[in-house]
Amino acid sequence: EPEVTQTPSHQVTQMGQEVILRCVPISNHLYFYWYRQILGQKVEFLVSFYNNEISEKSEIFDDQFSVERPDGSNFTLKIRSTKLEDSAMYFCASSKLGQDNQPQHFGDGTRLSIL
Amino acid sequence: LAKTTQPISMDSYEGQEVNITCSHNNIATNDYITWYQQFPSQGPRFIIQGYKTKVTNEVASLFIPADRKSSTLSLPRVSLSDTAVYYCLVGGGSSNTGKLIFGQGTTLQVKP
Repeated sequence: EPEVTQTPSHQVTQMGQEVILRCVPISNHLYFYWYRQILGQKVEFLVSFYNNEISEKSEIFDDQFSVERPDGSNFTLKIRSTKLEDSAMYFCASSKLGQDNQPQHFGDGTRLSIL
Repeated sequence: LAKTTQPISMDSYEGQEVNITCSHNNIATNDYITWYQQFPSQGPRFIIQGYKTKVTNEVASLFIPADRKSSTLSLPRVSLSDTAVYYCLVGGGSSNTGKLIFGQGTTLQVKP
């Protein structure tokens, strides 16, 4: 069964540094998402992306965050200047269609640790 | 997305059937009910989705009464590997955002 893959599995970064989290969505999916989960807390929506532009973003997704689909396969999340509170698991997801009744397929996440 | 309420935690033993009920009193006409499962250090995984009555797949069954204000996820004969957090989500149909809103979920602990 096709999977969403994320790299790296664990990223350790100094506060203030830029970090790029990478995802390869399922190949025939058209909608892409990033979520984060702070340790012990809920999974939180960050952003949805379709047709090379952001469809919706949450209030967490401020100017420090950006997403990009640089080629036909990768989908990246960049945090420009990391803060301690950015430490979390970041999950990428994809779906064939964009309605929120469409199953989303999640990767196993990148654990981001900010020092 | 309609707000959902589900138990924070449940315990079970191997081989038992587990039923997790979710309340969604404000479900809209076009909303679907979707359940995800999350193991520690993994992303959520889609389990099952339904609109009304009963849906069954190789993993679980989903029971939805006529008023659709609640739903029950049924896991037959659980094993230790079913220990996970189970999330009930309601939405879709009338919305095209794709955004999923997760609650705290139900932490199921299966004991030997």
